Amino acid sequence: AQKITQTQPGMFVQEKEAVTLDCTYDTSDPSYGLFWYKQPSSGEMIFLIYQGSYDQQNATEGRYSLNFQKARKSANLVISASQLGDSAMYFCAMREPYTGTASKLTFGTGTRLQVTL
Amino acid sequence: SQTIHQWPATLVQPVGSPLSLECTVEGTSNPNLYWYRQAAGRGLQLLFYSVGIGQISSEVPQNLSASRPQDRQFILSSKKLLLSDSGFYLCAWATTNYGYTFGSGTRLTVV
Repeated sequence: AQKITQTQPGMFVQEKEAVTLDCTYDTSDPSYGLFWYKQPSSGEMIFLIYQGSYDQQNATEGRYSLNFQKARKSANLVISASQLGDSAMYFCAMREPYTGTASKLTFGTGTRLQVTL
Repeated sequence: SQTIHQWPATLVQPVGSPLSLECTVEGTSNPNLYWYRQAAGRGLQLLFYSVGIGQISSEVPQNLSASRPQDRQFILSSKKLLLSDSGFYLCAWATTNYGYTFGSGTRLTVV
């Protein structure tokens, strides 16, 4: 069974600083996808970044980058130049291999990030 | 454009009352659809998914059921709500490699 672990229930970062949110995963499948979502207080889930298990390079999307260490089974999210609007819950998720039917995302328990002045 | 609509946004229901939450998708056909529940301060738990009309797979045995009467419509129901059914319910549509697009969610409080 797949498992996602986020060990940081809460994190603080000063505005304009970088922050790393940790995520480790466990799967026996060679093909999988890793995702990060942001959930502001409004509750909506916002897709941030995706990393495929066969991707050679770490994914980047603007200020977001994913530090993918396959041997360690970690997929940490790095947010550079934090902004007050980055304050939210952040969820790491893993997609099981797509077999032609519905693929499912398994989510971690989340990390609450608070950006301070 | 492709969008997902979910309603209502908030709902307060007494214990033992029925429930119906609706999710519709626009701009795509034959989507894979999902219902997730998020308890307060917790991660998301997959409840049901559907690959087509009338096709429902349940992930967690519980007091809820799901139906897909039309290609782009996914409904979450209960005949009698329990206190433990309180939570934030999210509908999602699978966008192949790039995970899901989520609806705006329904915050359900059972009193």
